Amino acid sequence: GQQLNQSPQSMFIQEGEDVSMNCTSSSIFNTWLWYKQDPGEGPVLLIALYKAGELTSNGRLTAQFGITRKDSFLNISASIPSDVGIYFCAGLNYGGSQGNLIFGKGTKLSVKP
Amino acid sequence: DVKVTQSSRYLVKRTGEKVFLECVQDMDHENMFWYRQDPGLGLRLIYFSYDVKMKEKGDIPEGYSVSREKKERFSLILESASTNQTSMYLCASSTTGRRYTFGSGTRLTVV
Repeated sequence: GQQLNQSPQSMFIQEGEDVSMNCTSSSIFNTWLWYKQDPGEGPVLLIALYKAGELTSNGRLTAQFGITRKDSFLNISASIPSDVGIYFCAGLNYGGSQGNLIFGKGTKLSVKP
Repeated sequence: DVKVTQSSRYLVKRTGEKVFLECVQDMDHENMFWYRQDPGLGLRLIYFSYDVKMKEKGDIPEGYSVSREKKERFSLILESASTNQTSMYLCASSTTGRRYTFGSGTRLTVV
């Protein structure tokens, strides 16, 4: 089946630093989604990407849909303590009337105060 | 914004009990999903539904069933709860090809 490789698995960063994480796949996706999940909560959508090459920002977050449609990255600029959490990429292919989301295993972000 | 509401944040049930997890969405989405999330295993799809009264098995349907009698409501049923079903359960909804919105999750403990 389809799989997403998300890296890094975890990272510690100094407050104020920029963060970068990415997802790659052997398969093509039509949509890439990036989520953040806080402990005990459901994933919250950060950015949605629908076209190859698309670059989208949401505040300090920027994500891109790779040209090959097999990868995506998420950048966080000037990290702050509330950025702590687990970030998931997810790829979506759809056919017929529904689609299934394939998730990466997540990047756990910890910020040193 | 779409809101997906899961009826319980925390549940504790006994082995063998029948358990209902309820999920309601308020944006007329045709697609609804149930996932479970376990450390080291990520999110795994249990069942999904793309229309009222329609259901499709996901990757791990064993031990679960679902019901979708109304478009806004998707229920996950554990016919006879077992300890290996202790997990975080997440409901999501979407319109086809677009963003999925998740509920806050239900942490189920089976003792």
